[in-house]
Amino acid sequence: DVKVTQSSRYLVKRTGEKVFLECVQDMDHENMFWYRQDPGLGLRLIYFSYDVKMKEKGDIPEGYSVSREKKERFSLILESASTNQTSMYLCASSRPLAGAGETQYFGPGTRLLVL
Amino acid sequence: GNSVTQMEGPVTLSEEAFLTINCTYTATGYPSLFWYVQYPGEGLQLLLKATKADDKGSNKGFEATYRKETTSFHLEKGSVQVSDSAVYFCASPSGGYNKLIFGAGTRLAVHP
Repeated sequence: DVKVTQSSRYLVKRTGEKVFLECVQDMDHENMFWYRQDPGLGLRLIYFSYDVKMKEKGDIPEGYSVSREKKERFSLILESASTNQTSMYLCASSRPLAGAGETQYFGPGTRLLVL
Repeated sequence: GNSVTQMEGPVTLSEEAFLTINCTYTATGYPSLFWYVQYPGEGLQLLLKATKADDKGSNKGFEATYRKETTSFHLEKGSVQVSDSAVYFCASPSGGYNKLIFGAGTRLAVHP
């Protein structure tokens, strides 16, 4: 079974703090993704990575950065947390796109509250 | 780019009722279509998918048929259970690298 784990289920941070969210997958997947989930907006892609050290912006990258130093680990960084970054953050991984579309496998999510 | 629109919730049903959650898409060509489900306190997991027009995806009693004429992929189940209470997301590939675009999600609550 594919397993995607996230470092924390719940986090409370203060405005201006630097926040690290960690994601690890154990299936040797090339692609990894970070989403935020907000009520009524579904999932929105923040950043994704298709290989070690390779990253691409998603739809809402402002205020975020990412790091992928090892294939199994993809980190999301909030350089200076703000209250509008209070959200649920979901990490996912998949094999590269081949033909009809590969399944994405999700972690349990990190619920971040910025005060 | 591609887009996905699904019906707003919440949807509240009694056990054994029939379920339909509507999903329509706009896309160039005929992309694969997916339904993901998020149970309380968990991440998303794939429920079913269809990879070409007229395909039917099915899993756990749920079905969805890829209808190119109406650009739809509605999710159906004949008899829901309390354990089906979850948030359901319709999704479609968008922009390569196996990226997905998701609908807003539909919360389903099933009562005994």
